[in-house]
Amino acid sequence: QSALTQPASVSGSPGQSITISCTGTSSDVGAYNYVSWYQQHPGKAPKLIIYDVSNRPSGVSIRFSASESGNTASLTISGLQAEDEADYYCTSYTSSSSSWVFGGGTKLTVL
Amino acid sequence: EVQLVESGGGLVQPGGSLRLSCSASGFTVSSNYMSWVRQAPGKGLEWVSVIYSGGNTYYTDSVKGRFTISRDNSKSTVYLQMNSLRAEDTAVYYCARVWADTGTFPFDYWGQGTLVTVSS
Repeated sequence: QSALTQPASVSGSPGQSITISCTGTSSDVGAYNYVSWYQQHPGKAPKLIIYDVSNRPSGVSIRFSASESGNTASLTISGLQAEDEADYYCTSYTSSSSSWVFGGGTKLTVL
Repeated sequence: EVQLVESGGGLVQPGGSLRLSCSASGFTVSSNYMSWVRQAPGKGLEWVSVIYSGGNTYYTDSVKGRFTISRDNSKSTVYLQMNSLRAEDTAVYYCARVWADTGTFPFDYWGQGTLVTVSS
């Protein structure tokens, strides 16, 4: 199963908004609400920030939002803060094979 | 409070074996889907394996026939037995709980990871 496609890097200034895309196929991203997003700071474990395409777990800032159109999911971070600088990964469950596929990850730099 | 603590990583020669453990607390392992996800040095995340609450197990193609996921409900521990290890298996291995109640299966809790290095 091929990895989902994410841009390698994005950047933005404090206060700005950025969007990270995640492109898959009709078997994963486009199949159902299986997309989730994770934030990973250097040397730390990933943290779930979005599930069911656009839902935030308790405690995750409302500055994180997400959507999906066709085979592409998108994560938007508004009001960028220095603490948002991290790697971001999308993933999708694939029901037909009971497996998960991750995107290659996007490094967010806050300028 | 949900906690996952991995152990068992280390340096192993190519062709060798290693067993990783994931000790869980704050929830019942047997009632949840539990997974292993790895991250090679400087690389992205890669799903490795899952064990469902019913006991079914699934693996990514590159580890099929070499890795085995299992659990000991009495110890609230999930294992990953890794045999015939290769250099490309070098990675930090994370234990993660699958949030199955959502019906969309995100990984809601993660351990801190344990490093496996395969090298001669």
